[in-house]
Amino acid sequence: KNEVEQSPQNLTAQEGEFITINCSYSVGISALHWLQQHPGGGIVSLFMLSSGKKKHGRLIATINIQEKHSSLHITASHPRDSAVYICAVPNTGNQFYFGTGTSLTVIP
Amino acid sequence: GAVVSQHPSRVICKSGTSVKIECRSLDFQATTMFWYRQFPKKSLMLMATSNEGSKATYEQGVEKDKFLINHASLTLSTLTVTSAHPEDSSFYICSASPLAGDADTQYFGPGTRLTVL
Repeated sequence: KNEVEQSPQNLTAQEGEFITINCSYSVGISALHWLQQHPGGGIVSLFMLSSGKKKHGRLIATINIQEKHSSLHITASHPRDSAVYICAVPNTGNQFYFGTGTSLTVIP
Repeated sequence: GAVVSQHPSRVICKSGTSVKIECRSLDFQATTMFWYRQFPKKSLMLMATSNEGSKATYEQGVEKDKFLINHASLTLSTLTVTSAHPEDSSFYICSASPLAGDADTQYFGPGTRLTVL
């Protein structure tokens, strides 16, 4: 079993749809990261959160530490949101566990 | 926000040559830098953790003599792939943390795609 599980693995949405990507983890953490990787490889760190909710533009990330679960929401999705979204958690051993990613395609 | 750069972004080399990849923190001092490798359609794999001025800590299965890491300053870490072979072709990503040994705060570089012919 992986330390970090993401769902769904692949997601296709129509432009304008509300999108949710889920992440569950089994290790104890102090913070969780949501990363975005565009075709071509570049990774952007979207959020680092340890509790509650954070919002950047159309992106919202929530985390429930007790349930070891986080969600990434995209409101009013746009084709430029098409990317792989990766959930990542550090552990006390200074390692960083990554989910396998959710490949999102937003169709115009 | 914090910016991390990598150079080169893409490199193609012949088998047997060595390739150096630079990772720089542009607007903060990076006490700790991390090097990752990503295989096609796979998640990132941590290769090593380096703290400024000390030897890198390599993950199990990563050959330290093949993947030389130097973190000589607070803004620069280098990964040298020695005697590269086609199986070393991959996407290499660095990240940098401003706090010693802290994996919670990491800023990622854009990655370097290495192709070994």
